Amino acid sequence: QQQVKQSPQSLIVQKGGISIINCAYENTAFDYFPWYQQFPGKGPALLIAIRPDVSEKKEGRFTISFNKSAKQFSLHIMDSQPGDSATYFCAASPNSGGSNYKLTFGKGTLLTVNP
Amino acid sequence: DAGVIQSPRHEVTEMGQEVTLRCKPISGHDYLFWYRQTMMRGLELLIYFNNNVPIDDSGMPEDRFSAKMPNASFSTLKIQPSEPRDSAVYFCASSFDARGETQYFGPGTRLLVL
Repeated sequence: QQQVKQSPQSLIVQKGGISIINCAYENTAFDYFPWYQQFPGKGPALLIAIRPDVSEKKEGRFTISFNKSAKQFSLHIMDSQPGDSATYFCAASPNSGGSNYKLTFGKGTLLTVNP
Repeated sequence: DAGVIQSPRHEVTEMGQEVTLRCKPISGHDYLFWYRQTMMRGLELLIYFNNNVPIDDSGMPEDRFSAKMPNASFSTLKIQPSEPRDSAVYFCASSFDARGETQYFGPGTRLLVL
């Protein structure tokens, strides 16, 4: 069961353009939604995260939009740069306690920003 | 801080051999996670520890896999015997916050089982 569905699998954007990656989830217990960035040969690194009490969070050129009723969230990269070329993963974790603070990751989106 | 340290970075072994992957979390972090990444299955959580105690190992694929955390600064993931389908990149991550949400990943160990 894939609890977090990510699209598209790959994305090509021109320098200066907007990159948009979408994720949908099924588990209504999820209450923490991070995005990770991974460069080739490296481990994923936390980029930005959001909780359901807000609909949008912005950090520099990166913005998360969150739609609780649709159970969807997306990452927008404004003014995309070649250095943003990487694989991006969305993830989600539930609010229940005990052993359930586990991140479930989407399958990833390979972003290529052409110069 | 040097970040999460994993060793070896690359491992090539033959089917049936024992493989041991090592991880040193960031000092002061009390959560430690082991993940496996493949093209087919993406990033999967195998097991995680809190204060050196295994909390959830439901992601461990089978009994051939085992993980230990003897102290706060060291953890191992062992595969015995290894099989070709175990070939993947294995990541260790650590976290300091109350729910283990903000995770810092190591560089990974690329394992190839022939």
